[in-house]
Amino acid sequence: QQPVQSPQAVILREGEDAVINCSSSKALYSVHWYRQKHGEAPVFLMILLKGGEQKGHEKISASFNEKKQQSSLYLTASQLSYSGTYFCGTHPNNQGGKLIFGQGTELSVKP
Amino acid sequence: DTEVTQTPKHLVMGMTNKKSLKCEQHMGHRAMYWYKQKAKKPPELMFVYSYEKLSINESVPSRFSPECPNSSLLNLHLHALQPEDSALYLCASSRLAGAPDTQYFGPGTRLTVL
Repeated sequence: QQPVQSPQAVILREGEDAVINCSSSKALYSVHWYRQKHGEAPVFLMILLKGGEQKGHEKISASFNEKKQQSSLYLTASQLSYSGTYFCGTHPNNQGGKLIFGQGTELSVKP
Repeated sequence: DTEVTQTPKHLVMGMTNKKSLKCEQHMGHRAMYWYKQKAKKPPELMFVYSYEKLSINESVPSRFSPECPNSSLLNLHLHALQPEDSALYLCASSRLAGAPDTQYFGPGTRLTVL
């Protein structure tokens, strides 16, 4: 079952913050976050393996609420380089392998 | 080094042609993947190889034939494709097989079927 991302698109000014949500109607065993720029491959941002886990990398962080079956990606003080499409990915079971991506959130950061 | 390489970058083929896509990783990863991505859509899983054996086939038409000759190399053989098969084909690898793990993507092959 494909996870659902919201919002579908967001436009920011440089320096503004954004939150992208990823939710599933089924149990979540892990959540992956990727960013893909136009014409390029998806680039790994972070993976959250346990409920309650939070991770951060520079000004991008994420949380994973296993009970609510959702994850959120937080982008603070956005930079132009943050523009792209953000995908969350989940495994349908705890055995890895098959990764199902959400439909994506298109983020545009303007000067 | 977390590099996955793919060749060719672009491929144009007719519906009667036979071609192959190649993917390589030298990170010692035990799982390798083929994804298909259409414009403005997420990547869709096609095949998973774990320890050089096909472990997942997502009901992909037989005109796509994967092959894993060794632990570093993954091929996708194409034959009698349709125009709707035109897409970006992405290869990925992960250190672990059979457990949730980071998947590293190659740059992709952009395929056009005429």
